[in-house]
Amino acid sequence: AQSVTQLDSQVPVFEEAPVELRCNYSSSVSVYLFWYVQYPNQGLQLLLKYLSGSTLVKGINGFEAEFNKSQTSFHLRKPSVHISDTAEYFCAVSGEGAQKLVFGQGTRLTINP
Amino acid sequence: DAGVTQSPTHLIKTRGQQVTLRCSPKSGHDTVSWYQQALGQGPQFIFQYYEEEERQRGNFPDRFSGHQFPNYSSELNVNALLLGDSALYLCASSLRGPGTEAFFGQGTRLTVV
Repeated sequence: AQSVTQLDSQVPVFEEAPVELRCNYSSSVSVYLFWYVQYPNQGLQLLLKYLSGSTLVKGINGFEAEFNKSQTSFHLRKPSVHISDTAEYFCAVSGEGAQKLVFGQGTRLTINP
Repeated sequence: DAGVTQSPTHLIKTRGQQVTLRCSPKSGHDTVSWYQQALGQGPQFIFQYYEEEERQRGNFPDRFSGHQFPNYSSELNVNALLLGDSALYLCASSLRGPGTEAFFGQGTRLTVV
């Protein structure tokens, strides 16, 4: 079975400050890792994904994440946030044998001017 | 490309009633998955359809059933509605295979009163 833990339910930051949203996962098999963003009253949009290869993954809107197998983590980072980044962020995992996504509880990112 | 479209966007039902939600996948996609997102929670996998058959199922009771049509569109049916079924229901489409990107619709907000 797979599970995802997002370590912060809410993260407030000031505009133009850096941010890190933390995600840890557990799985007994090889995994694929994803970060999705959900703006108010909308569905989920893929920010980035790790399938294999380089552990540093770059996504849309200036976000990046680093896969750390020894720490079973996949933290999301952005060097400078904007008001428009205010949203809910979800980390998710899927395995080789199962295409379903297992999501964390989400982290609400709030950007203060 | 219209992406993933879901209907209706909002729905109010009474306890004990039945509801049908609809999803049209992104053009070219053959796999449809359904997720339930309760308020303040991450999405939970309900089931996945491919080639008109249910291929994977999450931990949901038999009151939740689905169907996929030859044109890959899908329906989610919920019988004997409970207050706890109130949630955002998300449809995601993808190509068959591990690690493929899932595209989400805007969701259907179901309120059971």
